[in-house]
Amino acid sequence: AAGVIQSPRHLIKEKRETATLKCYPIPRHDTVYWYQQGPGQDPQFLISFYEKMQSDKGSIPDRFSAQQFSDYHSELNMSSLELGDSALYFCASSFSSGSTEAFFGQGTRLTVV
Amino acid sequence: AQSVTQLDSQVPVFEEAPVELRCNYSSSVSVYLFWYVQYPNQGLQLLLKYLSGSTLVESINGFEAEFNKSQTSFHLRKPSVHISDTAEYFCAVRIIQGAQKLVFGQGTRLTINP
Repeated sequence: AAGVIQSPRHLIKEKRETATLKCYPIPRHDTVYWYQQGPGQDPQFLISFYEKMQSDKGSIPDRFSAQQFSDYHSELNMSSLELGDSALYFCASSFSSGSTEAFFGQGTRLTVV
Repeated sequence: AQSVTQLDSQVPVFEEAPVELRCNYSSSVSVYLFWYVQYPNQGLQLLLKYLSGSTLVESINGFEAEFNKSQTSFHLRKPSVHISDTAEYFCAVRIIQGAQKLVFGQGTRLTINP
């Protein structure tokens, strides 16, 4: 069965650069979530989208933005990268109607040097 | 707001020994409860979940968790662990009505020694 696809799997950027992470949800899933997991930390919710509209917002820095496109894939744009942005970024997707479970991608490991 | 506390950051056990990973949550509204497992350099995989009904839920690989409403706990147990169970385990909650975001605990690193 198709899973949540994230690209790239690994990304190395320098301070003050920008990065774009992509997430392709499971087919027919209409909700996408982004989480950030710092080294040795638990995943922290950043933002979610339902039907291309932002549905919830967590601890996402102002330097980050995200959107969901008409094909339901989502992109997380990160600007003015800082060393502290180095983390594993997870995307998850679910089908909103009656869904109880979100399925996670393998994550994108971002390293800022 | 919801919060999840995993009382043990690390749990070392010997192979074939029993293990319990503790999880307590706080919420003013009803929640669903989850355990996720993260193997090294991997994503998060759902291990088991409690939605309603029987308070004891089981996974296909021998783990079980029991929802205790009075103690607001959802501890994970396995009667006999295997080397392959070495991983990070995260307890998580989400509210039943409204936003579907997950709130995670700090994680428990389970290390199985031969």
